[in-house]
Amino acid sequence: SQQGEEDPQALSIQEGENATMNCSYKTSINNLQWYRQNSGRGLVHLILIRSNEREKHSGRLRVTLDTSKKSSSLLITASRAADTASYFCATADRGSTLGRLYFGRGTQLTVWP
Amino acid sequence: EADIYQTPRYLVIGTGKKITLECSQTMGHDKMYWYQQDPGMELHLIHYSYGVNSTEKGDLSSESTVSRIRTEHFPLTLESARPSHTSQYLCASSEFAEGGFEKLFFGSGTQLSVL
Repeated sequence: SQQGEEDPQALSIQEGENATMNCSYKTSINNLQWYRQNSGRGLVHLILIRSNEREKHSGRLRVTLDTSKKSSSLLITASRAADTASYFCATADRGSTLGRLYFGRGTQLTVWP
Repeated sequence: EADIYQTPRYLVIGTGKKITLECSQTMGHDKMYWYQQDPGMELHLIHYSYGVNSTEKGDLSSESTVSRIRTEHFPLTLESARPSHTSQYLCASSEFAEGGFEKLFFGSGTQLSVL
């Protein structure tokens, strides 16, 4: 499978705590993206990290990428109840002319007030 | 929220019925996609289009068909629905983000239940 795999499958934390989700993949990639999906809704793009980048920040989000280990992590700092959602990583294969993204199964994050 | 719309949001139908799931976007994106998603599972690409009159099958075999007569419209049709088609169907379009990489915009999805 070319899809990324998120870990853990589910994560439950209290408001104010940090949430860390991991993604592993199998192929060489051009970039890796993280998306968020609220229950019953479509996915929303959060952040993109290129294969030559190691870390990227956006607000309370911090993404790291280790291409030697074929893994990425998404850290949400100072979590809020509104962060409750499923988080998916998506990879774009290096050398692919189609630009297609492959999605994992997601991590279900629950943040308790 | 992205300007991409799917209708209906929920659909419950009987086996053998023909259905069309609608998807429209007002962003002028050339590329559009249909994904199938089951609970707790990854998204599977079932169809994509690079522009008007361009359609291709995706990675997951699907008995559905699509058409792209207008840039903004990408409907998906099931000629004869079966219980195995029960799933969530997500439509997406894409634009180039930083570095020339594509970023997807998703609709809210259609939850299809075939009895």
